[in-house]
Amino acid sequence: AQKITQTQPGMFVQEKEAVTLDCTYDTSDQSYGLFWYKQPSSGEMIFLIYQGSYDEQNATEGRYSLNFQKARKSANLVISASQLGDSAMYFCAMSFDSWGKLQFGAGTQVVVTP
Amino acid sequence: KAGVTQTPRYLIKTRGQQVTLSCSPISGHRSVSWYQQTPGQGLQFLFEYFSETQRNKGNFPGRFSGRQFSNSRSEMNVSTLELGDSALYLCASSALGGGGQETQYFGPGTRLLVL
Repeated sequence: AQKITQTQPGMFVQEKEAVTLDCTYDTSDQSYGLFWYKQPSSGEMIFLIYQGSYDEQNATEGRYSLNFQKARKSANLVISASQLGDSAMYFCAMSFDSWGKLQFGAGTQVVVTP
Repeated sequence: KAGVTQTPRYLIKTRGQQVTLSCSPISGHRSVSWYQQTPGQGLQFLFEYFSETQRNKGNFPGRFSGRQFSNSRSEMNVSTLELGDSALYLCASSALGGGGQETQYFGPGTRLLVL
């Protein structure tokens, strides 16, 4: 069985600072995808970044980067230069060889303060 | 390209009623997945449809059902509503629904309140 753990239920970060959101997972599968989504209070899940299990380089998308450590089974999201609009719930998710199914962690609530 | 759309955005129903939610995927996407989000259980996978066929199903009772039309639009239905069905229902689309590498793009969700 696969399990995704986000140990930080919530955190405050000051505007313009960087923040790291933790995600660890447990799986014996070798092929999988790792995703991070952002969910503002409006409810929509916004795709941020993707990392494949066989990708050798860490993924980056603008201010988002994924610190992928396969041996440690961790896929932390780093947000650089936080903005007030980054305040939201952040979910780590994984997909395996299963049609259309994502498995989600419990999420981390991020509040960016001025 | 237009994103994933879901209707209605909000619904209030009473116990015992049934409800139908609709999802239109991104143009060209043929896979639609449905998720239920509650404070207690988090995000849980309901089912996935591709080319009008259900290919995958989560661990939900038979009261939860869905279908997909030839234009890839999908509906989910919940019969005999229970208080615990109150949730945010999210649908997501992807091109082929393949596991591992395909990104799913989500709609804004339908908030269902069962009284």
